[in-house]
Amino acid sequence: GESVGLHLPTLSVQEGDNSIINCAYSNSASDYFIWYKQESGKGPQFIIDIRSNMDKRQGQRVTVLLNKTVKHLSLQIAATQPGDSAVYFCAEKTQGAQKLVFGQGTRLTINP
Amino acid sequence: NAGVTQTPKFQVLKTGQSMTLQCAQDMNHEYMSWYRQDPGMGLRLIHYSVGAGITDQGEVPNGYNVSRSTTEDFPLRLLSAAPSQTSVYFCASRVGVGELFFGEGSRLTVL
Repeated sequence: GESVGLHLPTLSVQEGDNSIINCAYSNSASDYFIWYKQESGKGPQFIIDIRSNMDKRQGQRVTVLLNKTVKHLSLQIAATQPGDSAVYFCAEKTQGAQKLVFGQGTRLTINP
Repeated sequence: NAGVTQTPKFQVLKTGQSMTLQCAQDMNHEYMSWYRQDPGMGLRLIHYSVGAGITDQGEVPNGYNVSRSTTEDFPLRLLSAAPSQTSVYFCASRVGVGELFFGEGSRLTVL
């Protein structure tokens, strides 16, 4: 069935270190993946997306890696800052479908 | 540019009451959707619409109705609220297959 899950519900890193948030998906027909950041009391905000014809995409301080062989998605945040503290969600869309299916989220905490 | 606007931000209902959560977007997006967010459950799709006059069910549609009479508005109706509908509700819209733009959320408590 269609599901998106995360390996860890919480992640704690030192300020300045790199963060890696992982996500597994089960639908081999998924063709679009997206990462969102949600700060407390706010709506999710877009971080970065990637289509299934790509393995890697980079943004400002963020990189998304897609491994279709093992159905795994990761978000890498470079030089983590206090403002990166939030819950991060991955989501996927099946080819031909309209809806986005979200994972449960990972809470990222930055230690000073 | 307001983006996606949700009202009200907070609402308390008694079991059995009805209400409508409003959602409006000013980006001329064809696709609009409603999600609910519960602790440990992520975001679950309630209903969505690919254009005016067209709506469809998501993962958890029971207890909710929607309509899409204009491109801008996509209200979510609870006809008879239940405690299980206590949640934070998010409206989101997009153009094409790109990113979803979310509103700030509506926190609903049903007593």
